Amino acid sequence: GAVVSQHPSWVICKSGTSVKIECRSLDFQATTMFWYRQFPKQSLMLMATSNEGSKATYEQGVEKDKFLINHASLTLSTLTVTSAHPEDSSFYICSASPGRQFTEAFFGQGTRLTVV
Amino acid sequence: QQQVKQSPQSLIVQKGGISIINCAYENTAFDYFPWYQQFPGKGPALLIAIRPDVSEKKEGRFTISFNKSAKQFSLHIMDSQPGDSATYFCAASKEGAQKLVFGQGTRLTINP
Repeated sequence: GAVVSQHPSWVICKSGTSVKIECRSLDFQATTMFWYRQFPKQSLMLMATSNEGSKATYEQGVEKDKFLINHASLTLSTLTVTSAHPEDSSFYICSASPGRQFTEAFFGQGTRLTVV
Repeated sequence: QQQVKQSPQSLIVQKGGISIINCAYENTAFDYFPWYQQFPGKGPALLIAIRPDVSEKKEGRFTISFNKSAKQFSLHIMDSQPGDSATYFCAASKEGAQKLVFGQGTRLTINP
């Protein structure tokens, strides 16, 4: 199957700093990628839809100025958590699909963010 | 309208038994129903998926049963093994929307 890679797998940062998470589709092009957040023992909550060459679409309640998304190419989307606070500590996961019509979503391995 | 409700929240099954997880949806526009398996600290991995034009799909030990009129679908894991211990999520989406709505998850434990 198609491979989606996230980097880094885990990161610890100080409160007030910014952290960038990369999501790459390794063997296919993805015009759309998705970013999810998952708190411990909870489900995946969609944060935003990342569109190549245009602005991301954010879900209700997600601060677009805090979670900056850049989809610079057909194989790379980045999520930057700005001015991170301890409550931003979570597991962030991206997904992408190689098809125009939705057939299968491939997920990255996730990034564990801890803000201290 | 966008919710997918999953049950049970946790499930313990003996090795060799059948694990059954259920999901219900509200939005009749949903037409793609995947199940994902997630191990701790990892991203979800697609297990099996079904579209509403069939009532059942089987892949190895995993079977999805789909009841369109009841707006319910379930995952059956036959001959459950300790390696199946993980969290399972059902999801739903609309064709072409590429946006998944996830259930709450079921933590499955298979006792040896």
